[in-house]
Amino acid sequence: GAVVSQHPSWVICKSGTSVKIECRSLDFQATTMFWYRQFPKQSLMLMATSNEGSKATYEQGVEKDKFLINHASLTLSTLTVTSAHPEDSSFYICSGTKGVDLYGETQYFGPGTRLLVL
Amino acid sequence: AQSVTQPDIHITVSEGASLELRCNYSYGATPYLFWYVQSPGQGLQLLLKYFSGDTLVQGIKGFEAEFKRSQSSFNLRKPSVHWSDAAEYFCAVGAAGGSYIPTFGRGTSLIVHP
Repeated sequence: GAVVSQHPSWVICKSGTSVKIECRSLDFQATTMFWYRQFPKQSLMLMATSNEGSKATYEQGVEKDKFLINHASLTLSTLTVTSAHPEDSSFYICSGTKGVDLYGETQYFGPGTRLLVL
Repeated sequence: AQSVTQPDIHITVSEGASLELRCNYSYGATPYLFWYVQSPGQGLQLLLKYFSGDTLVQGIKGFEAEFKRSQSSFNLRKPSVHWSDAAEYFCAVGAAGGSYIPTFGRGTSLIVHP
């Protein structure tokens, strides 16, 4: 299997505080991890792509200073929402790829983290 | 750049009925195509994927999808829907030979009536 976990599953915080979300690949080494944001009843919006030991590549329009991504190991990536505001409230999903597929990569998704900023 | 369209926002079927969810893609070469399912409050689970070869792809949970190049489509089907199939379904297309990061459609919400 290829299991990805996220912690916490949900978090409520006050406006102006920072929140860290962890994404772990439990039974495989994720050469690349992705962070998505999903608004209600909408598709996934890719925020950034990160490779272990490298700086994350952010999609256009995503503030890299606000959404800090660290990919410290092949099994752990973190997303820190700095100085969170109510508009940052969303469902954040991470995924990882094994880097072994010959024809494209299958992404293995975490269960998501629901963030509510008051 | 690739793009994907899921024309149906909601689909309602009766339990036991057949199901077809539509997906159309836009890409100049052979695409990689995926179908994912998302249950409420959950992450996405891969149902099936197409890279090459047989255009009829079998997936988990009794789902299948057929790649039709002439129609730029990759529709998902299931002969008999179960109540537990109620979820959000996402089609995604990736670029062969280049960036493998797929583009997701907006999703189709499946409602199953008893």
